[in-house]
Amino acid sequence: EAEVAQSPRYKITEKSQAVAFWCDPISGHATLYWYRQILGQGPELLVQFQDESVVDDSQLPKDRFSAERLKGVDSTLKIQPAELGDSAMYLCASTLDRGEYEQYFGPGTRLTVT
Amino acid sequence: GENVEQHPSTLSVQEGDSAVIKCTYSDSASNYFPWYKQELGKRPQLIIDIRSNVGEKKDQRIAVTLNKTAKHFSLHITETQPEDSAVYFCAARGGGFQKLVFGTGTRLLVSP
Repeated sequence: EAEVAQSPRYKITEKSQAVAFWCDPISGHATLYWYRQILGQGPELLVQFQDESVVDDSQLPKDRFSAERLKGVDSTLKIQPAELGDSAMYLCASTLDRGEYEQYFGPGTRLTVT
Repeated sequence: GENVEQHPSTLSVQEGDSAVIKCTYSDSASNYFPWYKQELGKRPQLIIDIRSNVGEKKDQRIAVTLNKTAKHFSLHITETQPEDSAVYFCAARGGGFQKLVFGTGTRLLVSP
């Protein structure tokens, strides 16, 4: 069964450093989501892509976060500079298309900022 | 925007008992309500979902009910087993291409 892939699985970085996460959605899935999940809370959408275009980044802290999906396939989420409050699980999910409902999640990247 | 509240935050039951988790949502246009199970350190996995044109859906020991008038939906797990222990999240999606908004989660502990 196809799954969403993410790397790295774990990342420890010092504050003020740059960090990047990678996501490869299920093949053929046009819609890709990046979520942040703080310990003890539900996932919160950071950015949504439809193919290579951003359709919702209203909750993305744009002063330090950026996301791209240049060829409409895999995606990278970057934080620069990292802050202590960025420590969280970063989850990627995908759906076949915007009109589809079921989102398939990747295993996540656990970020610890020291 | 959509706001989802989930209760209780923790739930402890004995093996074989039933468990009920409740969520309320604010956007009357919301039309899709999934439930995810997340085990420690693992990805959220969809266990059941319901759309706004249906009042109840069942899958073996799991059922979800939706009351659109009251804007609440519930997850029911019968004959609980220790492997049901996990954090459960409800979510709601608004009309059109609105994003999924998640509840804060319920930690379910099933004791043998």
